[in-house]
Amino acid sequence: QLQLRESGPGLVKPSETLSLTCTVTGGSISSSPYYWVWIRQSPGKGLEWIGSIRYSGNTYYKSSLKSRLTISVDTSRNQFSLKLNSVTAADTAVYYCARQYTGSSFDQWGQGTLVTVSS
Amino acid sequence: QSVLTQPPSESGTPGQRVTISCSGSSSNIGSNTVNWYQQLPGTAPKLLIHSNNQRPSGVPDRFSGSKSGTSASLAISGLQSEDEADYYCAAWDDSLNGFVVFGGGTKLTVL
Repeated sequence: QLQLRESGPGLVKPSETLSLTCTVTGGSISSSPYYWVWIRQSPGKGLEWIGSIRYSGNTYYKSSLKSRLTISVDTSRNQFSLKLNSVTAADTAVYYCARQYTGSSFDQWGQGTLVTVSS
Repeated sequence: QSVLTQPPSESGTPGQRVTISCSGSSSNIGSNTVNWYQQLPGTAPKLLIHSNNQRPSGVPDRFSGSKSGTSASLAISGLQSEDEADYYCAAWDDSLNGFVVFGGGTKLTVL
């Protein structure tokens, strides 16, 4: 059974870089036709798509985050990662990784990890 | 402000049928399929309806989806207490270089 798990620091200082990794088990990150995605949810707010990556390295980023965002994939470790630099309090959120089947269809999700931006 | 518009809240009594609306535009709902997610308190979202009206395996047939033009709806019949959750619609948007848009979410309360 496919499982996704986010990992990374729960606290990041303002202006620093938020780094998270999603480890995929029970299946290959290289499986077609899937993309792998990061989605976040600010406290008490709705869902926000951040960006998606395929095993080949092809990416889609939310335009408003593109200048600060890097999503990468490591097929040898069955992982994909998120780096968001120059963070502010507005980046405080629960970050989810998920499998993207097509378009806006996310059929497998990680449990989510809370990242707080604070000094 | 979300690209897709949902009512912030809906409510119903057990056994009732409730509908949650999702309004978009020609670049998202009007030209792409809609997906619906259920988020129970303190948990990750779960895919509830995909491709406008298809239920993944394990989702009760009390849940149904539809789409017309630039709007979509999620209907829940035979409402149960365990249906109390947040519901989100989502679609791909063809503007700019393409991206995913969500509705702001609807909090469903079972009275």
